[in-house]
Formats: sequence, structure tokens, C-alpha cells
Amino acid sequence: SQKIEQNSEALNIQEGKTATLTCNYTNYSPAYLQWYRQDPGRGPVFLLLIRENEKEKRKERLKVTFDTTLKQSLFHITASQPADSATYLCAPDSGGYQKVTFGTGTKLQVIP
Amino acid sequence: ETGVTQSPTHLIKTRGQQVTLRCSSQSGHNTVSWYQQALGQGPQFIFQYYREEENGRGNFPPRFSGLQFPNYSSELNVNALELDDSALYLCASSSPLAGPNTGELFFGEGSRLTVL
Repeated sequence: SQKIEQNSEALNIQEGKTATLTCNYTNYSPAYLQWYRQDPGRGPVFLLLIRENEKEKRKERLKVTFDTTLKQSLFHITASQPADSATYLCAPDSGGYQKVTFGTGTKLQVIP
Repeated sequence: ETGVTQSPTHLIKTRGQQVTLRCSSQSGHNTVSWYQQALGQGPQFIFQYYREEENGRGNFPPRFSGLQFPNYSSELNVNALELDDSALYLCASSSPLAGPNTGELFFGEGSRLTVL
């Protein structure tokens, strides 16, 4: 069956450092992969989408890579700030009717 | 442009009861998806509505049903509530301009359901 794995343990990093979050998937051939941010008690907010023919995508301090051979995406936040503390969800998808499937998320805590 | 709004924000029901949750999609969006998010888990896809028709369903029993109205707003109905139905229910809309390889979702803030 299809499976999405994100670090279930919380990730604690020092302010100013680069945070790297991992998303691995199995039994999937996603046409694209999305990353969302979710704050406690709030709905997820879209951050970035990367397509299968793209290796890397950037948006301000965010960078996403997509390796279809390794079946993995890495999500980087450079110069992290306490305001970046949240849960980050990855969502690989094969398109079609836009059923987007989410991983369990990784909780990031940026320590001042 | 108004975002996705959901109501109610919180509600408490008892086992066996029925609940209706409501969602107004973002202006111009004709596709609405519903998700269930248990504590500490990622959102799980329940179903999607496109132009008032169900357009895909996740692994949820038939007691989870929905509707979409001509103005693209939507309802999620859950019958015969069980304790495990306690969760945050999220509605997300997407743009008709999005092709099959986009899929960006715009979420509401959710309805927190507690079943006692």
C-alpha cells in the first residue's frame, strides 16, 4: 500500500541554522509533491509545489528537492527563525482529481 | 477575495448522534475536498466534490456523506457518530484554473468535533 514517511520525532534547531525535513514515500509515482505548514489548531497553509521533472525549487528562505529515484523530498529552511516553528506536512500526489494525500508531518521547533 | 470558511469551529456530540459541518469555498473555486485530522496525524482524505458531484472518495464508511451546492459551498454529514470520529475536520478548495498537475489546496481553519 502507499505510504508516506516523515520524521515523527520533533526537530529542534537553533535560530539561524538550516532546518532539513525529510519525506519518503513508497508505492507511489507522484507527478508532483507539495509541502504545507500547519500551526496548532489551524488549517494547513500551502508553501511549495515541485513537479517530477524538477529537481529543486526555491521560495525565499525555503528550498525543496525531489528525487524520484530515491523516492524522497527534502525541505530546507535557511536562516531559521522562531516564527518558523510549526508542523510541516508533505503531500506527494499523482494528480488526477487532485486527491492530495498527506504525511503525518514533522514538528519543527526553532530555539532562540 | 474571501478565503475558505468553516462552521461551526467547535462542537460536542454524543455517540450515535449525527453532525453536519459546513464550508464556504474560496471565491471562484469549484472543487471542495474534506479531510479528517486526528490528533498528531496528517489530514486524511474523506472525499472531494466538483460541480456538485462526488469526485473521489477515501477510505471512509458510507456514514460519511457530503453535498456541494450550486454556489460551490459544501456540507459534510456524519451519521451514527463514534468516539473515533473525534477530530479536526478540514475543508479545502481549489481553483478551476489548476490543472491535474497543480493541486494547491486552500484550507479553512477546521471544525473541531468531540464525540463523547
